[in-house]
Amino acid sequence: DVVMTQTPPSLSVAIGQSVSISCKSSQSLVYSDGKTYLHWLLQSPGRSPKRLIYQVSNLGSGVPDRFSGTGSQKDFTLKISRVEAEDLGVYYCAQTTHFPRTFGGGTKLELK
Amino acid sequence: EVKLVESGGGLVLPGASLKLSCIVSGFTFSDYWMRWVRQAPGKGLEFIGEIKPDGSKTNYAPSMKGRFTISRDNAKNTLYLQMSSVRSEDTATYYCAIATFAYWGQGTLVTVSS
Repeated sequence: DVVMTQTPPSLSVAIGQSVSISCKSSQSLVYSDGKTYLHWLLQSPGRSPKRLIYQVSNLGSGVPDRFSGTGSQKDFTLKISRVEAEDLGVYYCAQTTHFPRTFGGGTKLELK
Repeated sequence: EVKLVESGGGLVLPGASLKLSCIVSGFTFSDYWMRWVRQAPGKGLEFIGEIKPDGSKTNYAPSMKGRFTISRDNAKNTLYLQMSSVRSEDTATYYCAIATFAYWGQGTLVTVSS
C-alpha cells in the first residue's frame, strides 16, 4: 500500500497566520495518464470531510483561494494563507493513483 | 443541490451482517464511480472500496475484501455496502462519497458490540 505521511500531526495557529502542511507518499503519485491524483480534505469538528484541493493544485468548488496546493511525484504541500476560524479541523491528504486508495494520518489545526 | 444520505447503521452483534445504503440526488449517479470510506472513533479515514458507474467492477482495500461487498442500483440512485461477520474493529462511521471526493454523505455510525 502507498503510505501517506503527513506532518506535522498538529498545528496551533493564530487567526490571520499562514501555515503549511506536508504530505509525502511512499511512491510516486503520477498515474499512467500523466496526472497526479493527490487531494486535500478538511474535516471540521463533527462534520463529514470536505474536498479542498484535487489533483495537487486545483481548488474545489466554493473553496476560498486562501488555500493552495503544490508539489509533485512524492512530495506535496497544502498552504493556508490568513487562517480563519472556519479553517480549524483535521486536514487529510489522499491519493487515488494507486490501489488501495490511502489517506494521510491527518493534521489537526487548532487555535492558539 | 447534491445530497448523499447514508442509512442502515446501528448497534450490531459481533458476527452479524449489516447492509448500509447511500441514496444520492443532485447529480447523475450512474455516471460516477462511488466509494465507501470509514472512520473509527477518534481515528483517521480508511478506504473501504469503490464501484464502477455501471456496477461491473469493484475494488476493495485488502483488509476489507471478502467481508465487505459494494453494489449499486442506478435506477434507485442508491449505493450499498454489505458487511458480514462484523467485528469490534468495524466500529466506525461509514461514509459514501463520489469518487472525486467532491461530495460526501453525513455518515452512518456502526457499533459492533455484544
